[in-house]
Amino acid sequence: DAGVIQSPRHEVTEMGQEVTLRCKPISGHDYLFWYRQTMMRGLELLIYFNNNVPIDDSGMPEDRFSAKMPNASFSTLKIQPSEPRDSAVYFCASSSPGQGSGNTIYFGEGSWLTVV
Amino acid sequence: GIQVEQSPPDLILQEGANSTLRCNFSDSVNNLQWFHQNPWGQLINLFYIPSGTKQNGRLSATTVATERYSLLYISSSQTTDSGVYFCAVRGSLRGSQGNLIFGKGTKLSVKP
Repeated sequence: DAGVIQSPRHEVTEMGQEVTLRCKPISGHDYLFWYRQTMMRGLELLIYFNNNVPIDDSGMPEDRFSAKMPNASFSTLKIQPSEPRDSAVYFCASSSPGQGSGNTIYFGEGSWLTVV
Repeated sequence: GIQVEQSPPDLILQEGANSTLRCNFSDSVNNLQWFHQNPWGQLINLFYIPSGTKQNGRLSATTVATERYSLLYISSSQTTDSGVYFCAVRGSLRGSQGNLIFGKGTKLSVKP
């Protein structure tokens, strides 16, 4: 399996622009997570989906952030308009509901976002 | 919500030395994972270990769920072990089953 695939790997954008981050989870996984990592706050969960349905979006910082999962193999995280404080590494992760080690969460390589 | 504390926050080792990293958590869990974030930022799964002991080469981990802690052992450390080690847990209480909560990590530097 190719693992969790994220794009773009790096993005530099100007303040006010729209940013769209993309994620393809591991096939067969029905949980998908979006995390953000910053020096100040560490790794924090933004939102997670189960069977394409958003379950908990309490970590989404504000209305400028939105996430969708139109099907089992694709999710997007959108920031509009972007601000310099959004600069961070955004990770997508997925897991299956299996028992034991099937519950393991796997991370993509991250999308490094810089807003100038 | 569940709290995860890791210690020590920073650790410097000479190549070949052994080390123990600790993770304490505040509530019962049904998922505990150890990750290594390498200098390129990749988060690599090391262990899924909500209880018991596992070994993988020079690394091993033990979780004592009843006492709410987990230990990661690194033996004969190598420079490639450098990076940040994260412990992450998922609570077993209803409503917390999706969220994997991360500790702040232990930053390990292995010197040649």
